[in-house]
Amino acid sequence: DTGVSQDPRHKITKRGQNVTFRCDPISEHNRLYWYRQTLGQGPEFLTYFQNEAQLEKSRLLSNRFSAERPKGSFSTLEIQRTEQGDSAMYLCASSLSGGGSYNEQFFGPGTRLTVL
Amino acid sequence: QKEVEQNSGPLSVPEGAIASLNCTYSDRVSQSFFWYRQYSGKSPELIMSIYSNGDKEDGRFTAQLNKASQYVSLLIRDSQPSDSATYLCAVNTPTGTYKYIFGTGTRLKVLA
Repeated sequence: DTGVSQDPRHKITKRGQNVTFRCDPISEHNRLYWYRQTLGQGPEFLTYFQNEAQLEKSRLLSNRFSAERPKGSFSTLEIQRTEQGDSAMYLCASSLSGGGSYNEQFFGPGTRLTVL
Repeated sequence: QKEVEQNSGPLSVPEGAIASLNCTYSDRVSQSFFWYRQYSGKSPELIMSIYSNGDKEDGRFTAQLNKASQYVSLLIRDSQPSDSATYLCAVNTPTGTYKYIFGTGTRLKVLA
């Protein structure tokens, strides 16, 4: 299967701890996105990479959040000093630029974070 | 005004009926529109994309776009209980970014 994968699928942590999530996009996709989704809401954009360059970050993203995509393949999202309000599903998506795909984004299974 | 608006539902339809899901958007320069299906506890799954005014059909699904009215809809024909899910509308604006703006989703219930 060559879909988007995310690890871990579930993470429970205590307030104040740091957590890191990993996303592996579809292999030929050069664009990668992180979204966050809370109950009853649609996914909310966090950040976007084209190859290894981080081209946009949401203004809602506090400085406790950082994301990397060091070699233009997998990406990591780190949350430092977690807060209860960080509890959410963290979704990764990827897409292919050009080729008439109109930037269709395909989502991974998500990482559900619970901060106690 | 929210950028992408959907009725949260639930929308209940009997099995075999047509389900009609609607979405409006505020940014007039939006160009690409997407419908995702999301089962409870799962991630969004792309169903349809549409870029031009008019209808686009794929199996039991038809997406309709009216850019003048800033309106996009999804019709599901011959609805099945397995179609019961939340349907998310997403809009991609050509403002130098490729992020999607999502609506809050419409919950669909297909009654057997």
